[in-house]
Amino acid sequence: DTEVTQTPKHLVMGMTNKKSLKCEQHMGHRAMYWYKQKAKKPPELMFVYSYEKLSINESVPSRFSPECPNSSLLNLHLHALQPEDSALYLCASSRGGLLLGNQPQHFGDGTRLSIL
Amino acid sequence: QKEVEQDPGPLSVPEGAIVSLNCTYSNSAFQYFMWYRQYSRKGPELLMYTYSSGNKEDGRFTAQVDKSSKYISLFIRDSQPSDSATYLCAMNTNAGKSTFGDGTTLTVKP
Repeated sequence: DTEVTQTPKHLVMGMTNKKSLKCEQHMGHRAMYWYKQKAKKPPELMFVYSYEKLSINESVPSRFSPECPNSSLLNLHLHALQPEDSALYLCASSRGGLLLGNQPQHFGDGTRLSIL
Repeated sequence: QKEVEQDPGPLSVPEGAIVSLNCTYSNSAFQYFMWYRQYSRKGPELLMYTYSSGNKEDGRFTAQVDKSSKYISLFIRDSQPSDSATYLCAMNTNAGKSTFGDGTTLTVKP
């Protein structure tokens, strides 16, 4: 079991639905990340939050909306997704600080999303 | 050209073999280097983290970084069937952006 918990583990939704993915960590980390991973491909960075503020948005379409309500929680709100958005969505956290990159990231097991 | 190139594999070795996994990179802004192991239907699991040139050892795993050649390696000694997984190299800039290699799938046969 990982220390980064993601729910739900699986999600099937239609293109007109609105749903949210949830990520939680209790390691006291102050940086949290969303990644998208397609089959047999590496994770691709989507968003980075540092001290609950969005610090990196990798030009992700607006149908993905991240939210960081507090230092332990990270949400990804989904609306009007396309079939090509079907993927494994991974959350990660790191200790954070002035130099975000100097701490390794710890991943959850992801939410497997299927868009019908 | 990709910023991070990883030997594609797949790699199949007998149990007990020494495994060598390699990545090269082109972006000099990468300062921190990680190796992750990913089992099917699981998230990446951090194996090794280093930021300086040289070797770092942890049990059966040794990470090697050569910043002058922009080359990193992971060695697995006495490989076990439970090591069968996809191995991802990853590199961070100071800003926290991680870039991953495409991964190498390893199978260790009993």
